[in-house]
Formats: sequence, C-alpha cells, structure tokens
Amino acid sequence: ETGVTQTPRHLVMGMTNKKSLKCEQHLGHNAMYWYKQSAKKPLELMFVYNFKEQTENNSVPSRFSPECPNSSHLFLHLHTLQPEDSALYLCASSQGDRNTEAFFGQGTRLTVV
Amino acid sequence: KNEVEQSPQNLTAQEGEFITINCSYSVGISALHWLQQHPGGGIVSLFMLSSGKKKHGRLIATINIQEKHSSLHITASHPRDSAVYICAVRGRGATNKLIFGTGTLLAVQP
Repeated sequence: ETGVTQTPRHLVMGMTNKKSLKCEQHLGHNAMYWYKQSAKKPLELMFVYNFKEQTENNSVPSRFSPECPNSSHLFLHLHTLQPEDSALYLCASSQGDRNTEAFFGQGTRLTVV
Repeated sequence: KNEVEQSPQNLTAQEGEFITINCSYSVGISALHWLQQHPGGGIVSLFMLSSGKKKHGRLIATINIQEKHSSLHITASHPRDSAVYICAVRGRGATNKLIFGTGTLLAVQP
C-alpha cells in the first residue's frame, strides 16, 4: 500500500463510451501525475498537476481530459477512445515535482474494444 | 534510441544468486530512481539517488554520475524478488520530469 489509490483496477469500454479514472492520495502531496504504460514501452508522462493547476500536458490527445478538483484527487475522463489507447494508466503523487520520491497507485488496466 | 537504457531486458536467476541490473542514460540528471513493478501493475519506489550508493535490506543501488550509469544489485535473491525493475531519471530542465527505461523483467526460480 503506497498511499495512492486508483479506481477502478480494470476497465473495459467501447469506443463510444465515456468513463472516468479516479486517483486519490492522502499523503499530503501537492503534485499529481498521470502516466500511460503500454506493452513493451517505457512509462509515458501524460499530465502533471501542482497545487491543482495543470503544469504539463505531454501532447496528449483531447480524448483524454484530466481534472484535479483538489490536491488529493485526480481524474482522467475518457471519451471516444481508440483500441490503441488500451494500456495501464498509472497515477502518482509527490511532494512538489522536483527531486522527491514519487508514490504510484496500482494502476487501471484499460481495454478499449 | 531511448534516453534511458536498461540491461538486460530479461533476466532469469536461481534463488540465492547475486543479481545486477544496469541503467545507462544520456541526459544530465538531478536524480535517478529505481522502481519495482509487480504483476498487476503497482509500482513501488526502491531508491532515489544522485550520487554514491544506497542500501536497503538485500538491495543496493549505485550511481556513477561521470559515466552516466547506475546499477541495482540484489543479494541472496528470492522468488518474491521476481518483478519488473525500472530505472528512471529526473532531468535538470525546467519541467524536471521523470524519463523511464523500458524495465528489466526478473524471474527468480526456486
């Protein structure tokens, strides 16, 4: 248990569906991240939030829409995804975004059919 | 070519063996992380280091900044060490984001 909780753990969705991934941390961290992990590829940073403000969008398609209502919660809203978006989506948090350890959630295994 | 390269990509060892996983990087960094990912996906941070050597239990991590190289060693390996080990570096740029290697899949057989 790392202190970062993601739900759901598994999600199967159709290309026309709208769904949301949720991440929650009660570690008092002020930075939260979404990462995508595809098979045989390194983790890819998608979004960074610091103090609820988005500080990085790593050229992510608009069919992925993040939301950070407060420093403890992070959402990733999904709509009209493609099969190639199937991957493990990992949330992480850290105290600031510089030279501190990142704590990862268990991930959401997403399959787009 | 990735900015962070790990070797080997796959490693099978017998229980009790000494294991070394290597990480080389090509960018200037402020810190290097070793992470462990078990089947099922969750990632655990093992070490964060910017110089020298750190030890935690049976795990040892070293870094040589001049050579842009780090190693993760596991002494007296055990089947529960079976996992993917990921090296990640934090750049010195303004965004300071983590750059990940593709990971080393370790299987320790009893």
